[in-house]
Amino acid sequence: GAVVSQHPSRVICKSGTSVKIECRSLDFQATTMFWYRQFPKQSLMLMATSNEGSKATYEQGVEKDKFLINHASLTLSTLTVTSAHPEDSSFYICSATGTGFYYEQYFGPGTRLTVT
Amino acid sequence: QKEVEQNSGPLSVPEGAIASLNCTYSDRGSQSFFWYRQYSGKSPELIMSIYSNGDKEDGRFTAQLNKASQYVSLLIRDSQPSDSATYLCAVNKDSAAGNKLTFGGGTRVLVKP
Repeated sequence: GAVVSQHPSRVICKSGTSVKIECRSLDFQATTMFWYRQFPKQSLMLMATSNEGSKATYEQGVEKDKFLINHASLTLSTLTVTSAHPEDSSFYICSATGTGFYYEQYFGPGTRLTVT
Repeated sequence: QKEVEQNSGPLSVPEGAIASLNCTYSDRGSQSFFWYRQYSGKSPELIMSIYSNGDKEDGRFTAQLNKASQYVSLLIRDSQPSDSATYLCAVNKDSAAGNKLTFGGGTRVLVKP
């Protein structure tokens, strides 16, 4: 399968600061990347979809000014959580798909964010 | 009605037995179906994709799709303790959804030695 990396794997930040999470496709060109959030014992929640070179499409209820997504190249997307608060503490996971993948998404290992 | 429904479990299975997981979906236009395995504290891992009616086998896993009845299932043969995880069913609804997948809530599977 295709390989997706995420960095950092864990981050602790103080309330009010911003955190950037990187998602990279290592062995394919990702035409679309997705950002999910998962709270303990809950299912995945899609936050946004991003295509290379265009603005991200956010799901209903997700604040686009708080969760900034940049998909600058076919192998890199970033999620910046701005002015983080304790309620933003969660497991953030990216996934990616490419041409010819027939909608298969491959997930990164995730980033566990704790806001103190 | 949820778009993709799964029994949350836990589904308790003796080691060596067959685990049978079911998933139903509401959008009749759905075309692509996936099973992901997620270990506790980890991200999902794709284990099966299925696109046409019938069975698809890959090692100990068999996915079954019935579009008329709007369900997709996953069988795990010769279950091992390492199969203990949450299994997520995902559906690509239709062309309007683009590349997005809709996930079910997941079924937790416990394989007991």
